[in-house]
Amino acid sequence: DTGVSQDPRHKITKRGQNVTFRCDPISEHNRLYWYRQTLGQGPEFLTYFQNEAQLEKSRLLSDRFSAERPKGSFSTLEIQRTEQGDSAMYLCASSIDSREAFFGQGTRLTVV
Amino acid sequence: GNSVTQMEGPVTLSEEAFLTINCTYTATGYPSLFWYVQYPGEGLQLLLKATKADDKGSNKGFEATYRKETTSFHLEKGSVQVSDSAVYFCALSYGSSNTGKLIFGQGTTLQVKP
Repeated sequence: DTGVSQDPRHKITKRGQNVTFRCDPISEHNRLYWYRQTLGQGPEFLTYFQNEAQLEKSRLLSDRFSAERPKGSFSTLEIQRTEQGDSAMYLCASSIDSREAFFGQGTRLTVV
Repeated sequence: GNSVTQMEGPVTLSEEAFLTINCTYTATGYPSLFWYVQYPGEGLQLLLKATKADDKGSNKGFEATYRKETTSFHLEKGSVQVSDSAVYFCALSYGSSNTGKLIFGQGTTLQVKP
């Protein structure tokens, strides 16, 4: 197993465009988390899934953001009508229940 | 609300110096506490953790003790190496529902010079 994989690693998009990121967790990890990290700050929780169920969403997750984990395996995070304030590193992590979370390398989004 | 505060960086040390990175937290109940490390170009890695008061987490020469009376979880290492240069994040996990959700501090950059 190669760990948590995120794709793409970098994304540059124009303001107003939609973007979608993918996260492949470690096999058999039932929990999957999304975080956002801006420059000079620690990661901030966005949302998490247990299997295919989205159990919690942060207030940071506006209605332009949507996340799915359709079969309880990989997950996607979509941002519609991107804004410059969405520029950040988007991190995915997975775990077995509430045990140690393993993080991917992140997707760096730049909105121009 | 729940939060984590870390000392501001960057922290610059010479090789073999003693390291302390301060971390304090605010939380209801009894959170679990963590230190994560992020090396350049890599994802976050769990360095150590402690799940209850007076527990000491340790790994790779790093240590941190869960101090409930001072709500602190300071990271220490007796002799740093150049390879320890990275960003260090203190974090807590809380909630009776045990979601595993983490609240992070802002991170402290450590630079170790030969």
